[in-house]
Amino acid sequence: DAGVIQSPRHEVTEMGQEVTLRCKPISGHNSLFWYRQTMMRGLELLIYFNNNVPIDDSGMPEDRFSAKMPNASFSTLKIQPSEPRDSAVYFCASRDRNSGNTIYFGEGSWLTVV
Amino acid sequence: AQRVTQPEKLLSVFKGAPVELKCNYSYSGSPELFWYVQYSRQRLQLLLRHISRESIKGFTADLNKGETSFHLKKPFAQEEDSAMYYCALGSTGYSTLTFGKGTMLLVSP
Repeated sequence: DAGVIQSPRHEVTEMGQEVTLRCKPISGHNSLFWYRQTMMRGLELLIYFNNNVPIDDSGMPEDRFSAKMPNASFSTLKIQPSEPRDSAVYFCASRDRNSGNTIYFGEGSWLTVV
Repeated sequence: AQRVTQPEKLLSVFKGAPVELKCNYSYSGSPELFWYVQYSRQRLQLLLRHISRESIKGFTADLNKGETSFHLKKPFAQEEDSAMYYCALGSTGYSTLTFGKGTMLLVSP
């Protein structure tokens, strides 16, 4: 398996623009997670899905952030409008709930908002 | 509430020295503990899980329920061990993993 696939790997955008990050989980995995990593706050869980249904979005910073999982093989994290403080690495991860708690991360999307 | 504490942000050692990365957790149920490693600008990778009781790249970790700890140890550090290390806690019911803030390990020649 190719692992968790994220795109874009790097994005530089201007403040106010919409940003869409994409994730393809490992085939067969039924849980998907979005994390944000910054120097100041470390690794923060933004939202996670089980069987395409959002279970906990309490980590989503504010209404500017939204996430969807229209099917088992695709998820998006959208920021609209983006702000400089959104600059971070956004990781997607997936898990097979039937195989325990281990989650597998993608390579991350490096977002810079100027 | 679940919590994972990694008290050291940075640990700097010389090559060949022993390494211990500390991790303490807070959880009332039966925990499942993990260590993840992140090399520079790469994805987080699973290093080891306590239920596997394995040694990966010379690293070991023992779950101490009395002290609620899961410290990561290696007897002789190598330069290629330099990375960010995250301790993570999983709970029954398979919800999410709670991560600590990470410890950066720097191994100097």
